[in-house]
Amino acid sequence: NAGVTQTPKFQVLKTGQSMTLQCAQDMNHNSMYWYRQDPGMGLRLIYYSASEGTTDKGEVPNGYNVSRLNKREFSLRLESAAPSQTSVYFCASILDPTSYEQYFGPGTRLTVT
Amino acid sequence: GQSLEQPSEVTAVEGAIVQINCTYQTSGFYGLSWYQQHDGGAPTFLSYNALDGLEETGRFSSFLSRSDSYGYLLLQELQMKDSASYFCAFNAGKSTFGDGTTLTVKP
Repeated sequence: NAGVTQTPKFQVLKTGQSMTLQCAQDMNHNSMYWYRQDPGMGLRLIYYSASEGTTDKGEVPNGYNVSRLNKREFSLRLESAAPSQTSVYFCASILDPTSYEQYFGPGTRLTVT
Repeated sequence: GQSLEQPSEVTAVEGAIVQINCTYQTSGFYGLSWYQQHDGGAPTFLSYNALDGLEETGRFSSFLSRSDSYGYLLLQELQMKDSASYFCAFNAGKSTFGDGTTLTVKP
């Protein structure tokens, strides 16, 4: 039981490059989230998926797209990376939107130069 | 929308008790969660309140007053390893986290 896994752990991109962050959970959770965390700050919601087949914008969706590939996997895509997207990205899952405990992946540390 | 406010920093000494407050605004309340995050790590769940009152989990307790839109996390018998950031959060739907409180435990 791996919980929530994220790949890659570290990534350096040049401005304008694209990439996809992968996230998978093996807990049969219905809801999944993508957050970004800037140094010394809290977690800001980028996109979430309340259930398989649905996605919704969070607080800071601009510059990102997501795909809920199946119940297990939720990917985050940066189409044209910008230095302002330098951050740590966390994926999380929860049994359903009214549950009380989110499980987080280890994070992806992204630097855009 | 919804928002949560916490103090940015708290300092305490080993063995002491510390309280981290959280005030919130939300149109629909489904419960308040608390998470701990060590430097460089991922957030981990600590405690949850759906109803008013105190929830105790070992050295950690969390309190909620829905009429005051207020909650707190209480950490007892502080240890050096408790130095971390602590977040209050709404999980339901459009999940929202406070900006976090950095707790420094001094010997």
